[in-house]
Amino acid sequence: QSALTQPASVSGSPGQSITISCTGTSSDVGGYNRVSWYQQHPGKAPKLMIFDVSNRPSGVSNRFSGSKSGNTASLTISGLQAEDEADYYCSSYTSSSTVVFGGGTKLTVL
Amino acid sequence: EVQLVESGGGLVQPGRSLRLSCTASGFTFGDYAMSWIRQAPGKGLEWVGFIRNEAYGGTTEYAASVKGRFAISRDDSKSIAYLQMNSLKTEDTAVYYCTRRRDYVDHYWGQGTLVTVSS
Repeated sequence: QSALTQPASVSGSPGQSITISCTGTSSDVGGYNRVSWYQQHPGKAPKLMIFDVSNRPSGVSNRFSGSKSGNTASLTISGLQAEDEADYYCSSYTSSSTVVFGGGTKLTVL
Repeated sequence: EVQLVESGGGLVQPGRSLRLSCTASGFTFGDYAMSWIRQAPGKGLEWVGFIRNEAYGGTTEYAASVKGRFAISRDDSKSIAYLQMNSLKTEDTAVYYCTRRRDYVDHYWGQGTLVTVSS
């Protein structure tokens, strides 16, 4: 199972919106609405931000939103804040009953 | 409060074995699947595998990179999940996280334990 494809880095200024893409295949992202997004600050454990493509766990800011079209899922962060600077990973359930992660995207808030 | 605490990491020689533990508290352990996910130094997240709860047969799934070498088990009476790692390779060096998994989502993560495979 190949890793999902994410851009290595994205950046934006405070207050702006950014979108991170996550591209897979019909055997993972495209075949199931089981895409999650995780935020990871340096030296910390990942934190769930979005699950099932577009659902936010309680306590996660509504500035974070998710969507999917075909084999590509997306995470959008609106109203960028300094604390959003982190690494972001997508993951998907697969047709083999396994899980695959994206390579990660480093978000820089300028 | 959900808590997951990994232990058992350390320095091990290539070819040797190591068993990690994930001690859970704050929830009914037997109601959930448990996953292991690792992160090599400076690299991204890599799924290792998970074990379903007994209601779903307690069966396991593994990544191709560890299948046949790693085994996940659980002791619901102690609220502990295990990751038995055999025939370790230098590329298994990573921080290993356990997670609480339900409905295809890894909601809660532990802080991780570092495994270093080196001679």
